[in-house]
Amino acid sequence: EIVLTQSPGTLSLSPGERATLSCRASQSVSSSLLAWYQQKRGQAPRLLIYDASNRATGIPDRFSGSGSGTDFTLTISRLEPEDFAVYYCQQYGSQKTFGQGTKVEIK
Amino acid sequence: EVQLVESGGGLVQPGGSLRLSCAASGFTSSAYWMSWVRQAPGKGLEWVANINTDGSDKRYADSVKGRFTTSRDNPKNSLYLQLNSLRAEDTAVYYCAREGICTAAACYPDYWGQGTLVTVSS
Repeated sequence: EIVLTQSPGTLSLSPGERATLSCRASQSVSSSLLAWYQQKRGQAPRLLIYDASNRATGIPDRFSGSGSGTDFTLTISRLEPEDFAVYYCQQYGSQKTFGQGTKVEIK
Repeated sequence: EVQLVESGGGLVQPGGSLRLSCAASGFTSSAYWMSWVRQAPGKGLEWVANINTDGSDKRYADSVKGRFTTSRDNPKNSLYLQLNSLRAEDTAVYYCAREGICTAAACYPDYWGQGTLVTVSS
């Protein structure tokens, strides 16, 4: 089973700042089959990025994904007030494991 | 409008069973793989299972294999998750999701329900 480790656990930033979230896999993720989700309190997750770097429908271009192999990154270029949330990565191998999440909070 | 509505959650004793349902509307559910994902209170997300369009291919997380079974009834636009031999650690909100964004190698969930809470406790 591939284990995903997200860092940092919490990111304290101000609106307008750049957020860089990391997701590291215990072994190579096949064909960059990795997704990123946003989850706000009391809500279902929302797909942001799939196949490591493709934005899902309706996702603003301030969100971008990159990486391959074992190292992946979600970047939010300029944080908007609605972007403060928890972010998860997920790999799409046979066991579709999630990372433990990164909370982006207002500084 | 695409909607997914889960139901069937509740309080159950350890070792007990429960059947969750997910009612789909606003799209032809038979055209999509569907998934179950759960989230324990205050914890992260955990993939549980998914099922192909006609129900002939089902995949499970190791943590639930042999205890949980997913199925679907396409004419009723419904998805199900049968939970047996429940344990305290199965306590979670259970979400169903449509795997609607497909690439060459995978389909990703683009719509999610709001979830149903399962509590396993004596």
